[in-house]
Amino acid sequence: NAGVTQTPKFQVLKTGQSMTLQCAQDMNHNSMYWYRQDPGMGLRLIYYSASEGTTDKGEVPNGYNVSRLNKREFSLRLESAAPSQTSVYFCASSEFWTGLIYEQYFGPGTRLTVT
Amino acid sequence: EDQVTQSPEALRLQEGESSSLNCSYTVSGLRGLFWYRQDPGKGPEFLFTLYSAGEEKEKERLKATLTKKESFLHITAPKPEDSATYLCAVAFGNEKLTFGTGTRLTIIP
Repeated sequence: NAGVTQTPKFQVLKTGQSMTLQCAQDMNHNSMYWYRQDPGMGLRLIYYSASEGTTDKGEVPNGYNVSRLNKREFSLRLESAAPSQTSVYFCASSEFWTGLIYEQYFGPGTRLTVT
Repeated sequence: EDQVTQSPEALRLQEGESSSLNCSYTVSGLRGLFWYRQDPGKGPEFLFTLYSAGEEKEKERLKATLTKKESFLHITAPKPEDSATYLCAVAFGNEKLTFGTGTRLTIIP
């Protein structure tokens, strides 16, 4: 069981470049999430997918797009990277049933620097 | 606005010196509180879920408790390998979590 995997581990982009961060989980979870973590800010939700076929904005969605490719995979795309998007990005997954809240399991993160 | 505050920001303890970390929240319908451990350069690792006031969970040297306004993570006789940042997260009205900024714990041998 790999849990939640993310690629790449590190990435350096120039302002204006685009890229896609990949995430996959093998726990058969319904819900998946993308967060960013910045010093002193805590983890902030970018987008989430409560179930296959649905996506919703989180707290900081501007400049990002997501795709729930299937139940296992959830990708995050930066169309035109900006220095403010320099951060560590984490993908997470959890079980989901209406009315219940379950713990989220996190991947190892992608460290992105935009110059 | 729903908020989660963790204190202290940083804590240094001698090996074996017990202490507690605090997570307080302003709530509009608490649906769950979660504790995570995060080591440098890694993703958060799930520790505990608490759903209602009075609930307690234990794992090795860690014990989490929950009241109506806050949660404590008690660490008993810590070892250097317990050094990490401990994160608290709260689910208020839906499946989304609001995270605190964490407590950086250092255990000195």
